[in-house]
Amino acid sequence: QSVLTQPPSASGTPGQRVTISCSGSSSNIGSNTVNWYQQLPGTAPKLLIYSNNQRPSGVPDRFSGSKSGTSASLAISGLQSEDEADYYCAAWDDSLNGHVVFGGGTKLTVL
Amino acid sequence: EVQLVESGGGLVQPGGSLRLSCAASGFTFSSYWMSWVRQAPGKGLEWVANIKQDGSEKYYVDSVKGRFTISRDNAKNSLSLQMNSLRAEDTAVYYCARGQTTMTNWGQGTLVTVSS
Repeated sequence: QSVLTQPPSASGTPGQRVTISCSGSSSNIGSNTVNWYQQLPGTAPKLLIYSNNQRPSGVPDRFSGSKSGTSASLAISGLQSEDEADYYCAAWDDSLNGHVVFGGGTKLTVL
Repeated sequence: EVQLVESGGGLVQPGGSLRLSCAASGFTFSSYWMSWVRQAPGKGLEWVANIKQDGSEKYYVDSVKGRFTISRDNAKNSLSLQMNSLRAEDTAVYYCARGQTTMTNWGQGTLVTVSS
């Protein structure tokens, strides 16, 4: 049982826009920024979005993040086959000293 | 280019010990918090431990407290995770990552299998 709640799966067709939600509480998302990580099959995770809505250099602007209250969302527009991956949200949790908490992950399938 | 290379994984019996290492390059290692994150087979990511730049602060997930010890050698640009009293549920790929709250770079991971 993960501290942050994500849907286990999501899907879309090429060119579509999909969103992935991440629900937390006042001690994590509600009071700290959210990061998103992308894990392509068989590879290590990669930072995709940081500080709720910032993209590291090299991440396409098709990827965007947002946060409202105790929830966050990752949106992918113009879906491409290479976006098929697992996506994880993460945040610092003030109630767990020194702890980062992850969502359970969402497997995105491009149909 | 930032590089993180883990090593030390392998097969170990329940109750045994293993020491993981992470060799860092391409950045000023001593300026960053460092973290260990693990992923059990077919499961999601779980933060394990992190350590401050000078090693003065260390934090652990409850399930490994008292069994795992994170450490670093800034002179050698190296991060370590000493794992004792290993359990079957510690079986996972262990990733070394740069950062505390935001993990900007990750290694390729090293597999730890705890089984008799």
